[in-house]
Amino acid sequence: GENVEQHPSTLSVQEGDSAVIKCTYSDSASNYFPWYKQELGKRPQLIIDIRSNVGEKKDQRIAVTLNKTAKHFSLHITETQPEDSAVYFCAASIAGNQFYFGTGTSLTVIP
Amino acid sequence: GAVVSQHPSRVICKSGTSVKIECRSLDFQATTMFWYRQFPKKSLMLMATSNEGSKATYEQGVEKDKFLINHASLTLSTLTVTSAHPEDSSFYICSARDPLGFEQFFGPGTRLTVL
Repeated sequence: GENVEQHPSTLSVQEGDSAVIKCTYSDSASNYFPWYKQELGKRPQLIIDIRSNVGEKKDQRIAVTLNKTAKHFSLHITETQPEDSAVYFCAASIAGNQFYFGTGTSLTVIP
Repeated sequence: GAVVSQHPSRVICKSGTSVKIECRSLDFQATTMFWYRQFPKKSLMLMATSNEGSKATYEQGVEKDKFLINHASLTLSTLTVTSAHPEDSSFYICSARDPLGFEQFFGPGTRLTVL
């Protein structure tokens, strides 16, 4: 089955700096890679996703890059704000079927 | 956007009892729903895939006789934790697959505490 690894597990950045979270996956058949933000006790919220036919996608301060050959994808948050502080999860899926999540990154943005 | 609800949001029960959690898609039909479990400060772990009108598919290591899943309609899937024990205490989250794409819409989760 799919195995998704995520690094780092914790990340602290100064407000305004950039944050990068990286994930690798094992199943080359995976073709959908969403990123979620989760606040304590709440449901995961989709912040951006990418399909395998695209190498990069951007939405305002958030971008995701995908390297299919190396089987890794990354989340980039620029101009971080305190409200970006949360736990972020990557996931890998084949066509939106079972999601296999990474281990999570706890991001703290220091004002 | 698509809305998925879960009920109850929180439940406390005694060891040995069974607990049923409902997951509903409110504004779309979901032929496929998923159940996840999340322990404190851990990731979401897929437990099973719930298919309307057929038996659920369980992930390796998940006891199908302990975690009973029923997907009787296109808008409702239920997870029953049978003979719950303290180690079953966790945050259970369901999701419903977007019928038009790859996204999954998550419910708000159910916090189960077994005393």
